[in-house]
Amino acid sequence: AQKVTQAQTEISVVEKEDVTLDCVYETRDTTYYLFWYKQPPSGELVFLIRRNSFDEQNEISGRYSWNFQKSTSSFNFTITASPVVDSAVYFCALSEHRGSYDKVIFGPGTSLSVIP
Amino acid sequence: SAVISQKPSRDICQRGTSLTIQCQVDSQVTMMFWYRQQPGQSLTLIATANQGSEATYESGFVIDKFPISRPNLTFSTLTVSNMSPEDSSIYLCSVDVGYTFGSGTRLTVV
Repeated sequence: AQKVTQAQTEISVVEKEDVTLDCVYETRDTTYYLFWYKQPPSGELVFLIRRNSFDEQNEISGRYSWNFQKSTSSFNFTITASPVVDSAVYFCALSEHRGSYDKVIFGPGTSLSVIP
Repeated sequence: SAVISQKPSRDICQRGTSLTIQCQVDSQVTMMFWYRQQPGQSLTLIATANQGSEATYESGFVIDKFPISRPNLTFSTLTVSNMSPEDSSIYLCSVDVGYTFGSGTRLTVV
């Protein structure tokens, strides 16, 4: 069965430090999507990225970067020089193919605290 | 991508009552997904709603407890029935397979 593991439950970093959030997944699908979301204390879920399993290029978007390594089934997320506003829970997720549609399975989340 | 309007944003309900949560999408979508997020936990899929057919429920969720309606391609409701304090959670709807989520309904059952 599909599974997403985020081994880091909580991480604390000092402001302006870099931090990497780990995500490891298991799937039997040959085609799938990987996601990252941010959930600040206010509770809304903010979509950050979707990556197709055929696209192993790393992605950079401002202070955010993602490293997708299919060989190790990992999709790690790095925040460079994180400001306090990055304090949130971050979820990694994986699509699972179910016949006529895909559903999204979430990892347990990593709570990031940025200390000013 | 689509935009979802989800209502109510929060509610405090008495145990034994029911609450219906609405999601309105600004475009037609085939599938809508309903998730539950218990306090301090991750998101768990409750069911998938396809217009014109019965919703498909995930293991651990049943229609009697979480009836879903999907009357057209832009709207869906989730009802949390006969509520108990264990139902206190954030409930979210979603479309576009992971791209778009509603703002969530924060439910507290007392």
